[in-house]
Amino acid sequence: DAGVIQSPRHEVTEMGQEVTLRCKPISGHNSLFWYRQTMMRGLELLIYFNNNVPIDDSGMPEDRFSAKMPNASFSTLKIQPSEPRDSAVYFCASSHGNTIYFGEGSWLTVV
Amino acid sequence: GQQVMQIPQYQHVQEGEDFTTYCNSSTTLSNIQWYKQRPGGHPVFLIQLVKSGEVKKQKRLTFQFGEAKKNSSLHITATQTTDVGTYFCAGDGGTSYGKLTFGQGTILTVHP
Repeated sequence: DAGVIQSPRHEVTEMGQEVTLRCKPISGHNSLFWYRQTMMRGLELLIYFNNNVPIDDSGMPEDRFSAKMPNASFSTLKIQPSEPRDSAVYFCASSHGNTIYFGEGSWLTVV
Repeated sequence: GQQVMQIPQYQHVQEGEDFTTYCNSSTTLSNIQWYKQRPGGHPVFLIQLVKSGEVKKQKRLTFQFGEAKKNSSLHITATQTTDVGTYFCAGDGGTSYGKLTFGQGTILTVHP
């Protein structure tokens, strides 16, 4: 049974470049989350989708961040333009019910 | 907003010693969940507690939910090197979609 699939696993980019992170949730899960993890701030919820609709985006840092979920099996998190302080691990997670299943994360470094 | 505090931040133990991490919420929780993240890995769900005063066990792990549903603990008996990782609690404040607020985590190191 495939888990949450994220790509890329690792990305190094230069400041100012656009970054797109991709996620395929577990089939049948109707909730999708994007989290960011850093040493300083821990695990932060960026945005939550339910049935492909953004429900809570209060955690999105600023206008440089945007997220879409065009269908039940795909979501993207875009950062444009990227900044060094965006360096973090970005986790996509999905759920059907209370338990959240995390992907393996996208490790982003902005230099 | 809801805050979830977790202590200690770090814990170093010798293999065979016990370990406990504590979680406190600023608000009453609908439920609390515990996750484990291995170094370089992703958080993995361990358990969910829902009832006031609930105690659940998974082999050497014992999870408790406080009577007031504002605090929780995870206790590991006789730690093993495979227990190494970061343990997170995550509180559900009862929003319509079960929004979880994660604690900062406790990083457990086990020395053989």
